[in-house]
Amino acid sequence: AIQMTQSPSSLSASVGDRVTITCRASQGVRNDLGWYQQKPGKAPKLLIYAASSLQSGVPSRFSGSGSGTDFTLTISSLQPEDFATYYCLQDYNYPWTFGQGTKVEIK
Amino acid sequence: QVQLVESGGGVVQPGRSLRLSCAASGFSFSSYGIHWVRQAPGKGLEWVAVISYDGINKNYADSVKGRFTISRDNSKNTLYLQMNSLRAEDTAVYFCAKDYAYQLLPNLIDYWGQGTLVTVSS
Repeated sequence: AIQMTQSPSSLSASVGDRVTITCRASQGVRNDLGWYQQKPGKAPKLLIYAASSLQSGVPSRFSGSGSGTDFTLTISSLQPEDFATYYCLQDYNYPWTFGQGTKVEIK
Repeated sequence: QVQLVESGGGVVQPGRSLRLSCAASGFSFSSYGIHWVRQAPGKGLEWVAVISYDGINKNYADSVKGRFTISRDNSKNTLYLQMNSLRAEDTAVYFCAKDYAYQLLPNLIDYWGQGTLVTVSS
């Protein structure tokens, strides 16, 4: 199975900060990668698909980049509602695999 | 709008079985693949299984292969997960989730249900 390694596991940031989360695949997954946001007690929400495409209704401060093995989720200006845990998911081949998550906390 | 409502969770003893259901509405259920994803308490997300829109193609995580079976009844707009030989490590919230691809093999999860908790304990 393809392993997805996210970094960092957690980070503290302030409102207005630029935040970058990375996801590395143990083998190439082309651009078959999505990013999800999850708040406590809630279902995940799709933010980015195909590595860099913004899901409808998601604010433009979220962006994704990368291809192959290295991917990045960037929040250009962190807002109070963005404090959550973020996961990458490769859908290149089965079994699909998630990264371990990155918790974004308030500094 | 898309709605996915899971049910069937509860407390079950190790080695026993449980069947989860996911009732779908707000979209053409028979045209989309559906996934099960789980999350152990305080842990990250783990993809469990997927079934294609027509029920023909199924794939499983290695951790559940041979013990869990995914199925669907398109006449009832309902997805199922039959879980046998349950273990303590299967304790988790189980989410059903819709795939993005219309009448194609699954390629992206776009909507999620709220989940149902399964606790495996003696």
